[in-house]
Amino acid sequence: DTEVTQTPKHLVMGMTNKKSLKCEQHMGHRAMYWYKQKAKKPPELMFVYSYEKLSINESVPSRFSPECPNSSLLNLHLHALQPEDSALYLCASSQRWRDRDGNGYTFGSGTRLTVV
Amino acid sequence: QKEVEQNSGPLSVPEGAIASLNCTYSDRGSQSFFWYRQYSGKSPELIMSIYSNGDKEDGRFTAQLNKASQYVSLLIRDSQPSDSATYLCAVILNTDKLIFGTGTRLQVFP
Repeated sequence: DTEVTQTPKHLVMGMTNKKSLKCEQHMGHRAMYWYKQKAKKPPELMFVYSYEKLSINESVPSRFSPECPNSSLLNLHLHALQPEDSALYLCASSQRWRDRDGNGYTFGSGTRLTVV
Repeated sequence: QKEVEQNSGPLSVPEGAIASLNCTYSDRGSQSFFWYRQYSGKSPELIMSIYSNGDKEDGRFTAQLNKASQYVSLLIRDSQPSDSATYLCAVILNTDKLIFGTGTRLQVFP
């Protein structure tokens, strides 16, 4: 299995809703990441998890709450989002964080989020 | 100065030609360099990684790295219309963060 699976593929939520994005990989990778990508922009790093511990939070607003329940799963809990949070949310994994000659990050297909 | 810079394009090349994509980075401590391809509405797909100075070839793709000049490039030989996409240069900085350039849009016309 060489895939990163993200669910749901599309999500429309109101500003008062609570929802969660899910990400799963079975490649034995011990680093997982959340990126946010707005239209016609590159992906921007949000969070880094290494061995299920949060290692980097790129000053992301608290309305985004990551969780890594085990080495295969990564969640992103969403609460009280704003319309400007609408974007493609990408999950990625790699063998190790700080692995300078590793095999790069494998990205999931993303969740396209629309906040109304 | 941006951490990873690319020309946004579009770069237009005829089918069968060589497409040359360039990227510069600012962090001299960077060790790992990647090229991703992203089709419209899809997620990035890793096509090349390079860690040492010089060239690395994989099929029609060649990545080139020059750490002294802080420069990475990607050559695509025998370009095909299916290669039309945005190509993202990505660098793992000394802070261990994978950062993307703005991407170069490549158009291959028949």
